[in-house]
Amino acid sequence: DAGVIQSPRHEVTEMGQEVTLRCKPISGHNSLFWYRQTMMRGLELLIYFNNNVPIDDSGMPEDRFSAKMPNASFSTLKIQPSEPRDSAVYFCASSFATGYTGELFFGEGSRLTVL
Amino acid sequence: TQLLEQSPQFLSIQEGENLTVYCNSSSVFSSLQWYRQEPGEGPVLLVTVVTGGEVKKLKRLTFQFGDARKDSSLHITAAQPGDTGLYLCALRDSGNTPLVFGKGTRLSVIA
Repeated sequence: DAGVIQSPRHEVTEMGQEVTLRCKPISGHNSLFWYRQTMMRGLELLIYFNNNVPIDDSGMPEDRFSAKMPNASFSTLKIQPSEPRDSAVYFCASSFATGYTGELFFGEGSRLTVL
Repeated sequence: TQLLEQSPQFLSIQEGENLTVYCNSSSVFSSLQWYRQEPGEGPVLLVTVVTGGEVKKLKRLTFQFGDARKDSSLHITAAQPGDTGLYLCALRDSGNTPLVFGKGTRLSVIA
């Protein structure tokens, strides 16, 4: 079975450019999470969706970040305009919400470098 | 907000040695999970625990959870190079809240 699929795997862009990261969750999973990982701050939750509805976006750094989930099989995380401090690995994860024991299945991540 | 501390931050050992890494929370949690992350990949679940005092074993890995449900440890016996990776603990405050991750322990096992 296919796991969580993220694209692109690597993105190098210049400051001020728009960046769009994409995620296809595992079929049948009804929760989707966007995390950002850096050495300094570890894995930080940015936003999560249940049944395509955003539940908590308090982790989104600022208005430059936005996320959408138009249907159960696709989500995007957009950064506009991008800044060097946004450089990180962005992970998408999905789960079949089963209360407090639910396992997160992560994609391989999108490594973003903003010059 | 839960504070989640993992220690040590880095650990480099020789093949065959034993090691223990720790995860401590500032408050009680409803469940805890340990994940392992290899370079270039996403984290993968190792174990989930929900009961204070619980001990779980996964081959050479032993997971212990404190009675007070505020701390956990991961012990690896006879470490192998394949154990190299980032070990992350993650917890939930309650059933419907998302996972909060610690910064992890980066383990390197040298052959």
